[in-house]
Amino acid sequence: DVKVTQSSRYLVKRTGEKVFLECVQDMDHENMFWYRQDPGLGLRLIYFSYDVKMKEKGDIPEGYSVSREKKERFSLILESASTNQTSMYLCASSLFLKGEAFFGQGTRLTVV
Amino acid sequence: KQEVTQIPAALSVPEGENLVLNCSFTDSAIYNLQWFRQDPGKGLTSLLLIQSSQREQTSGRLNASLDKSSGRSTLYIAASQPGDSATYLCAVMGVWGKSTFGDGTTLTVKP
Repeated sequence: DVKVTQSSRYLVKRTGEKVFLECVQDMDHENMFWYRQDPGLGLRLIYFSYDVKMKEKGDIPEGYSVSREKKERFSLILESASTNQTSMYLCASSLFLKGEAFFGQGTRLTVV
Repeated sequence: KQEVTQIPAALSVPEGENLVLNCSFTDSAIYNLQWFRQDPGKGLTSLLLIQSSQREQTSGRLNASLDKSSGRSTLYIAASQPGDSATYLCAVMGVWGKSTFGDGTTLTVKP
């Protein structure tokens, strides 16, 4: 079974802090994705990566950056956390860009 | 722009009932459609993936169908159980590799 692991289930950070969300997959997938999920807005794509060191902006990249130094790990970085970044963050991976997506357990981030 | 709608937003059924969840999409130029389950406060679990060339996929008590021309997919759950209670989301993959998610149907199966 594919396993996508997010480093934290819950995080509470202060406004202005730099926040790192980590995601690791164990199936040698080429593609990794970061989404955020908000009530009434559904899942929205922040960034994705189709190879090591490669990244593409999704629909809502503002205020975020990403890093993919190794194939199995994809990090989401909030450069200066703000309260409007309070959300559920979901990482996913897939073997092919249009292939079946597998999600991690989610990180509930609260920025106070 | 692809739009994905799931109606109803919530559904409550007694245990043992067969039920159908609906997913409709506006642009029929899709690559595949994936159904997920999400438990409260958790991530998404993949249930079924249907390629655009397929009409249906089955896994255990679940059967998903796809009618691309009418922009519709259904998820059929047979003999529902309380453990099936969750939110079910569909995601439509466009030909350019972008996924669009529905808002989900929250299912409650009462014992």
